[in-house]
Amino acid sequence: DVKVTQSSRYLVKRTGEKVFLECVQDMDHENMFWYRQDPGLGLRLIYFSYDVKMKEKGDIPEGYSVSREKKERFSLILESASTNQTSMYLCASSQQGVNTEAFFGQGTRLTVV
Amino acid sequence: AQKVTQAQTEISVVEKEDVTLDCVYETRDTTYYLFWYKQPPSGELVFLIRRNSFDEQNEISGRYSWNFQKSTSSFNFTITASQVVDSAVYFCALSEGGNTGKLIFGQGTTLQVKP
Repeated sequence: DVKVTQSSRYLVKRTGEKVFLECVQDMDHENMFWYRQDPGLGLRLIYFSYDVKMKEKGDIPEGYSVSREKKERFSLILESASTNQTSMYLCASSQQGVNTEAFFGQGTRLTVV
Repeated sequence: AQKVTQAQTEISVVEKEDVTLDCVYETRDTTYYLFWYKQPPSGELVFLIRRNSFDEQNEISGRYSWNFQKSTSSFNFTITASQVVDSAVYFCALSEGGNTGKLIFGQGTTLQVKP
């Protein structure tokens, strides 16, 4: 059974903290993605990676960075958390190609106080 | 610019009713793919269907059916005889051009099926 696993379901962090969200996939997929989900806005792409150490900005990269040192792991980093980064974060992976479906993790609900 | 619009924010039906979720897209690509995902309360998005731009045949899978109309840039999803377990947020998505696998999502439609 294919699996994308996010390290936490719920996180509460303080403003200004550095926050790490971890994602691991076991399908040997080349592509990995971080999306942010907010009510009425759907899913918006923060960053994606198409290979180890390769990354590209998505639609809303400001305030975030990513790391992909190994193929199976893709980390999202909030350099200095702010309250407007309170949201649901979803990690996904897929094979290369325009027609491949993405597999999603269960999401991390982050609250910044 | 590429865009996906799901105009229905929330839909509420009674069990056994049929319900259609609308999806309208914009793209300049001639080859593209459209997807539907379901997000149950557990949070994980589940893939339902993929359709390429050259295949306008409708698809039926059990109680689910999809109507793709290129002329109106729509890819609508119908659930027949809805059940409480169908309650979820449903997302329509469009593949971005190129080989990146990036998806552009609509805003999502929350479906509530009442017993």
